[in-house]
Amino acid sequence: SQKIEQNSEALNIQEGKTATLTCNYTNYSPAYLQWYRQDPGRGPVFLLLIRENEKEKRKERLKVTFDTTLKQSLFHITASQPADSATYLCALDPGGGDKIIFGKGTRLHILP
Amino acid sequence: GAVVSQHPSWVICKSGTSVKIECRSLDFQATTMFWYRQFPKQSLMLMATSNEGSKATYEQGVEKDKFLINHASLTLSTLTVTSAHPEDSSFYICSARAPGSSSYEQYFGPGTRLTVT
Repeated sequence: SQKIEQNSEALNIQEGKTATLTCNYTNYSPAYLQWYRQDPGRGPVFLLLIRENEKEKRKERLKVTFDTTLKQSLFHITASQPADSATYLCALDPGGGDKIIFGKGTRLHILP
Repeated sequence: GAVVSQHPSWVICKSGTSVKIECRSLDFQATTMFWYRQFPKQSLMLMATSNEGSKATYEQGVEKDKFLINHASLTLSTLTVTSAHPEDSSFYICSARAPGSSSYEQYFGPGTRLTVT
């Protein structure tokens, strides 16, 4: 069956450290993968997109990697801050190019 | 730019009544809008894809007669939950896509919290 799995439901990281979140998928061959941030009671906000032919993408303190052999994407936040605390969702195009589907998300808590 | 709004932001209704949620693209025209539902600590689940001027395409397991979608203009789509029951209580989120853009270029609304008592 097709699945998108994010490694843990919740993750606690000390402020200033690097937070690493994992997204694994099964039985998809996505042309790209996206990461979103969602705060409680709010809609998701787009952060980064990485295409299948890209190994790594950066934006300020954010870095995303995409390994199509492992069927995995890693999302890193360096020099983490309490304001980075949120739920982070990965999403991909399951094929057809007309919609995206989401993983369950990882709730990240940056501890001061 | 690329702002999507939803109204209301929260609503409480009695079991058996219907409730309408609006999704508007404020500064762009959206030929396609998507409706998602999210239960606590769960992922966003796509309910339906709505194209302006045509019938919505519903995902498997979503009752089209219960969740009525109307996309009458390029800036407005509505979701009506008919004969709502407590199990319909959820967070409903819409997103919008501009004409000619790829599926990944979706802009999300802030969501509507529906509570059915």
